[in-house]
Amino acid sequence: EAQVTQNPRYLITVTGKKLTVTCSQNMNHEYMSWYRQDPGLGLRQIYYSMNVEVTDKGDVPEGYKVSRKEKRNFPLILESPSPNQTSLYFCASSFRDNTGELFFGEGSRLTVL
Amino acid sequence: RKEVEQDPGPFNVPEGATVAFNCTYSNSASQSFFWYRQDCRKEPKLLMSVYSSGNEDGRFTAQLNRASQYISLLIRDSKLSDSATYLCVVNKGGFQKLVFGTGTRLLVSP
Repeated sequence: EAQVTQNPRYLITVTGKKLTVTCSQNMNHEYMSWYRQDPGLGLRQIYYSMNVEVTDKGDVPEGYKVSRKEKRNFPLILESPSPNQTSLYFCASSFRDNTGELFFGEGSRLTVL
Repeated sequence: RKEVEQDPGPFNVPEGATVAFNCTYSNSASQSFFWYRQDCRKEPKLLMSVYSSGNEDGRFTAQLNRASQYISLLIRDSKLSDSATYLCVVNKGGFQKLVFGTGTRLLVSP
């Protein structure tokens, strides 16, 4: 089954404790991206990657890191989480030449205390 | 001004009703347009692309007005299962530079 898998789906952590949210897709997509969704603000892009070893900042990259060492994986790293990073996070992927259809993971709800 | 603006709703309609949502965008250079659907606490999924000539998919019709910079979504014969949040999405230029609206919530009641 074609899918984008995120883990963990739910996480409560404390300020400053490094965490990684993993994202894996099995559709051989070149493009992958991370979004956060907050009430009243919609989905905002954090980072994206056009292919292996190619990443770039989105609209809200501060406080986040990513890496793309393999085509299928695109982890999101919060080196020192803060309460303002409490949010619902979505990973998404697509083919480079698609017409705008993104395939999303089921989301990871993160709470930073 | 937000790049993509939508009425947050909620729109409360009875089954069988026709409902329309509008979405305005600020970047006149925007190249492509989409409607996504997001169920409560779920991931967004593509509902349909929006073409200049307008397009229809069953009970759903999408239209684009470039001169006034808005897109619309019309849902006919609403079903209970149409209850969801509908996200307007605009490609503001460049590959995959998608901007998501905050969504319009639709509640269809029996």
